[in-house]
Amino acid sequence: NAGVTQTPKFRVLKTGQSMTLLCAQDMNHEYMYWYRQDPGMGLRLIHYSVGEGTTAKGEVPDGYNVSRLKKQNFLLGLESAAPSQTSVYFCASRDRLAGGFYNEQFFGPGTRLTVL
Amino acid sequence: RKEVEQDPGPFNVPEGATVAFNCTYSNSASQSFFWYRQDCRKEPKLLMSVYSSGNEDGRFTAQLNRASQYISLLIRDSKLSDSATYLCVVILGGSQGNLIFGKGTKLSVKP
Repeated sequence: NAGVTQTPKFRVLKTGQSMTLLCAQDMNHEYMYWYRQDPGMGLRLIHYSVGEGTTAKGEVPDGYNVSRLKKQNFLLGLESAAPSQTSVYFCASRDRLAGGFYNEQFFGPGTRLTVL
Repeated sequence: RKEVEQDPGPFNVPEGATVAFNCTYSNSASQSFFWYRQDCRKEPKLLMSVYSSGNEDGRFTAQLNRASQYISLLIRDSKLSDSATYLCVVILGGSQGNLIFGKGTKLSVKP
């Protein structure tokens, strides 16, 4: 099993350009997440999905859109990139609640995005 | 006030030392608690869950004090390989199980 994979690993954009980050998981997990991590800020939740065809906003959703057309994939889109979106983006997935306990979130290796 | 606060660090300790990390959370509705470990330029990985009764995994001991809204992680006999950033994480009750992360405390273990 590859676990959670992310593409691309690195990307440099110019202000105003658009791009899509792809997250894929092969663990048949219901829940998927997109985070960003900035120096001194910790990880912050952008959007998440509780199942195929569903999405919801997290703590910092502005400037991003997401789609979950297939259970194994969660896409994060930047329609018009801004320098403030320079960050490391992590995708994560987990299985549904079991026995009253939250299952572990598994993270992808991250995408380093720079917006000039 | 940030929902999850940690010692900013960095902690620089010699091999074999015992080191303790502290974390406080502001929302009394927090339900589940974890410590994650993040190596430099890598993704976070679950280190251990934290239970009210306290739990131990080898050299690592985690404690939870719900009354004080305080979580701790103790590492005994530090190894060079323990060098990483340690993230305190909580889940609010009634939420979708979304993780709320502290900013992390960096640990550097020196020979």
